[in-house]
Amino acid sequence: RKEVEQDPGPFNVPEGATVAFNCTYSNSASQSFFWYRQDCRKEPKLLMSVYSSGNEDGRFTAQLNRASQYISLLIRDSKLSDSATYLCVVNFMTGGGADGLTFGKGTHLIIQP
Amino acid sequence: NAGVTQTPKFQVLKTGQSMTLQCAQDMNHNSMYWYRQDPGMGLRLIYYSASEGTTDKGEVPNGYNVSRLNKREFSLRLESAAPSQTSVYFCASSESRSTQYFGPGTRLTVT
Repeated sequence: RKEVEQDPGPFNVPEGATVAFNCTYSNSASQSFFWYRQDCRKEPKLLMSVYSSGNEDGRFTAQLNRASQYISLLIRDSKLSDSATYLCVVNFMTGGGADGLTFGKGTHLIIQP
Repeated sequence: NAGVTQTPKFQVLKTGQSMTLQCAQDMNHNSMYWYRQDPGMGLRLIYYSASEGTTDKGEVPNGYNVSRLNKREFSLRLESAAPSQTSVYFCASSESRSTQYFGPGTRLTVT
């Protein structure tokens, strides 16, 4: 079974703070991982891919823990514009069926002034 | 480049009516997808097309049909709309198993 679990939140965080959230996935054979961002009433957009060694893009850091089957997203020095829903996405490379991408239900983040 | 475009942006249907949602991409991607997004349910895959001329069912295909008209276009048809199909529909495209690019969505209400 292909499952991606996220805490739906909302996470209410003051501007300038650091916030982190995790996502767990069900299948250890999963090969690739992503974080997408979705603004209210808009389409999801790729925020960053998640690599095995962890990776950083400006204020955003993504990490992968294969042993425990979770990925995390850390946002430093949060801005009001970071308010959005963050979707965890896993490519389950199990063959057959759909193309493999499974989306979590998202974590809602609200940055407060 | 326009990326992924969808029409219409909004639609209201009565139960039993039919309609086709249109999607086109100009990124020369092989794979295209149709999702629905409902509150608390996340994105669920309806159908996908790995390449021109092929289509496959996703997680929630019942009540829908698709056509991969050519490499650019992938349409979703509701033959007899039901209130349970009230949702936001997103089309996406990708170069197989990599980043998916989404269209702006179609908000459909079935009364």
